[in-house]
Amino acid sequence: DAKTTQPNSMESNEEEPVHLPCNHSTISGTDYIHWYRQLPSQGPEYVIHGLTSNVNNRMASLAIAEDRKSSTLILHRATLRDAAVYYCILGGGTSYGKLTFGQGTILTVHP
Amino acid sequence: NAGVMQNPRHLVRRRGQEARLRCSPMKGHSHVYWYRQLPEEGLKFMVYLQKENIIDESGMPKERFSAEFPKEGPSILRIQQVVRGDSAAYFCASSLGGGGRTGELFFGEGSRLTVL
Repeated sequence: DAKTTQPNSMESNEEEPVHLPCNHSTISGTDYIHWYRQLPSQGPEYVIHGLTSNVNNRMASLAIAEDRKSSTLILHRATLRDAAVYYCILGGGTSYGKLTFGQGTILTVHP
Repeated sequence: NAGVMQNPRHLVRRRGQEARLRCSPMKGHSHVYWYRQLPEEGLKFMVYLQKENIIDESGMPKERFSAEFPKEGPSILRIQQVVRGDSAAYFCASSLGGGGRTGELFFGEGSRLTVL
């Protein structure tokens, strides 16, 4: 399975943008890049996913490098509710919903 | 719209007892996945089911664990003769199609099993 590397933790201030990086140098051509987050004592929540082009939705933006070896999840204005563990996961092809969650990045948002 | 519903939310069992965890997927979803999160660890895939079929159980322990998704009713994860090491949060997810390929997984709030 292709592996992702994320920083253990990051901090941000409320209402500031947050850029969460993810490296995936061994990504295959059919791997989608998924981002999920997990708030304390809750189940994971889908954030965004993409293949090659940058993606935007109501929650976040996903910027994918041209060589696809890295990506960045962008939260445009962090709120206290965005404090969570953020997981960058590669999936797709024959792996359907068999997602491999790593340790993720713990995001702390300061008021 | 109701999301993925799991019950019970909390379950306490003594060693040797059985635990049954239920999962009702989102309306219209026919793909169900079970994940386990041990204390201080990441989520680990256990099993992928479609109605009446186990598609991939490569993450399931070989003994004591079983899963089903009958034609009618919720998906059930069954753990027989529980041991302390089974204490964990068990999350169910559902998807409209084969989620990992293109779409998203919708997760439930989890069932937290404590084995005394």
